Amino acid sequence: GAVVSQHPSRVICKSGTSVKIECRSLDFQATTMFWYRQFPKQSLMLMATSNEGSKATYEQGVEKDKFLINHASLTLSTLTVTSAHPEDSSFYICSAEIPTSGYNEQYFGPGTRLTVT
Amino acid sequence: AQSVTQLGSHVSVSEGALVLLRCNYSSSVPPYLFWYVQYPNQGLQLLLKYTTGATLVKGINGFEAEFKKSETSFHLTKPSAHMSDAAEYFCAVSYGGATNKLIFGTGTLLAVQP
Repeated sequence: GAVVSQHPSRVICKSGTSVKIECRSLDFQATTMFWYRQFPKQSLMLMATSNEGSKATYEQGVEKDKFLINHASLTLSTLTVTSAHPEDSSFYICSAEIPTSGYNEQYFGPGTRLTVT
Repeated sequence: AQSVTQLGSHVSVSEGALVLLRCNYSSSVPPYLFWYVQYPNQGLQLLLKYTTGATLVKGINGFEAEFKKSETSFHLTKPSAHMSDAAEYFCAVSYGGATNKLIFGTGTLLAVQP
């Protein structure tokens, strides 16, 4: 149980184009999902918290107009990187939250490798 | 601001040797504590977690960790390393509540030598 998928696993796009990454909770409903970014050999940095039916909450320094997040259903959140540039190349990981007693555990997707040429 | 420190960005052990990966957090309020493992080009897999109760926590793949409040530590250990343990390990904390953000340490890359 508690499986999170991401699509695509890898994507290469040209500079200036937009790319959409999907995050799905396959066997549970998630009112809250998180989007992380990981640069090579570095830790995960939280980009935003995605809440079903409402606007995402972005971390300081993350451009909300560049990284569009939509959480349209209880099983799907999408991250769209708009007007991508080479510096947006990174590993993007999502997680979905399951409420439990005292804390809400996060389950992580397998990640999406974005390369902008 | 709360932070997580992982001492040693690279740790190398011989197969069969003890694995010790260090994690300290900085806050006066004990957080929820997690260890995750990441294999190349993959997402994170939860190894173990501490929320409440027994301070020695056993996880998957023979790993365990002990929460020591007085030392603000949550070190990860495994008595005998296996080649398949080679991966990146992340310690993380959460303070629960409405935001429930995970704060990650910088990670420790574990190499296992034959």
